[in-house]
Amino acid sequence: DTGVSQDPRHKITKRGQNVTFRCDPISEHNRLYWYRQTLGQGPEFLTYFQNEAQLEKSRLLSDRFSAERPKGSFSTLEIQRTEQGDSAMYLCASSLEIGGEKLFFGSGTQLSVL
Amino acid sequence: AQSVTQLDSHVSVSEGTPVLLRCNYSSSYSPSLFWYVQHPNKGLQLLLKYTSAATLVKGINGFEAEFKKSETSFHLTKPSAHMSDAAEYFCVVSELTGGGNKLTFGTGTQLKVEL
Repeated sequence: DTGVSQDPRHKITKRGQNVTFRCDPISEHNRLYWYRQTLGQGPEFLTYFQNEAQLEKSRLLSDRFSAERPKGSFSTLEIQRTEQGDSAMYLCASSLEIGGEKLFFGSGTQLSVL
Repeated sequence: AQSVTQLDSHVSVSEGTPVLLRCNYSSSYSPSLFWYVQHPNKGLQLLLKYTSAATLVKGINGFEAEFKKSETSFHLTKPSAHMSDAAEYFCVVSELTGGGNKLTFGTGTQLKVEL
């Protein structure tokens, strides 16, 4: 399968712990996005990379959140000192620069903070 | 800022009957609009997109949507529902920002298809 893959599929953690998620985009895609989706809502934009450069961050992304894409391929999203309000589905998407409006989404990582 | 409003959080239809999922948008200029579908435990999938080339847009799986500027609407339709259409549908507007395409999603419409 050459789609967007995310790992892990599910993560249960205790409040205050740090968690890290990984996203592997489609190999030739130079754009990578992170979104967050809570129950009953549509996905909300968190941040965006073009190659290894993080070009935009939403105000939703507090200081406890950090995202990296060190070699312009896979990306990680880390949440430090998790809070119950961080419980959500974290979605990764990728696209080509040309025709970049078509985003390909992964299945997401479901985070539950107890 | 651009936004979309999905007018129904849940829609229930019988198999073989038409589907109508409603979406209104707000934009200060000509928007790019999309419909995405999310099946349980699967990634979001693009159904169709409008980018000003034609007001009636055909997508995958028999879905289509019509852009109506006078009504600021972009409703999704299908002539005949199938059980496999049961999923959550999102109306989306795209905004170019910093070189990327930031998508703003509606709150979603859960489509239920009954026998």
